[in-house]
Amino acid sequence: DVKVTQSSRYLVKRTGEKVFLECVQDMDHENMFWYRQDPGLGLRLIYFSYDVKMKEKGDIPEGYSVSREKKERFSLILESASTNQTSMYLCASSLIITSGRASEQFFGPGTRLTVL
Amino acid sequence: DQQVKQNSPSLSVQEGRISILNCDYTNSMFDYFLWYKKYPAEGPTFLISISSIKDKNEDGRFTVFLNKSAKHLSLHIVPSQPGDSAVYFCAASNNNDMRFGAGTRLTVKP
Repeated sequence: DVKVTQSSRYLVKRTGEKVFLECVQDMDHENMFWYRQDPGLGLRLIYFSYDVKMKEKGDIPEGYSVSREKKERFSLILESASTNQTSMYLCASSLIITSGRASEQFFGPGTRLTVL
Repeated sequence: DQQVKQNSPSLSVQEGRISILNCDYTNSMFDYFLWYKKYPAEGPTFLISISSIKDKNEDGRFTVFLNKSAKHLSLHIVPSQPGDSAVYFCAASNNNDMRFGAGTRLTVKP
């Protein structure tokens, strides 16, 4: 079974703090993703990575950065947290199967971040 | 600009009846479509998918229909069970680019 784990289920931070969200997958997947989920907006892609040290911006990268130093680990960084970054953050991973197509994504349980 | 739209934020059906969840997309380059199910406090889990070369895919109680000309897909659940109550996300992809809809909250009443 694919397992994607996230370092925290719940996190409360203050405005201006630097926040690290960690994600680890154990199935040697090439692709890893960070989303945020907000009511009425669904899952919005923040950043993704298709290889170690590679990263690509998603739809809403502003205010975020990422790091992928090892294949199994993908970190999301909020350099200076703001109240509008209060959200559910979901990490996912997927394989590349044939002709560059990605498999379905496997999600972690999510981190509910509250910024006060 | 949302490329994948689920226009019904919620749906309520009686146990044993059919649930139909709908999804529309705008990008004709999408060629692979998926449905995910999400329970509270858990990440989404993959439910069923369909390639653009097909118009129907069935897995037990779940069937996904694809109408490429209308850029529309739907998920049918028959018969619906209370344990199916969850948020359902539609997703569309082209290689590594996957986009999600806003989700539909399904409630199945006993």
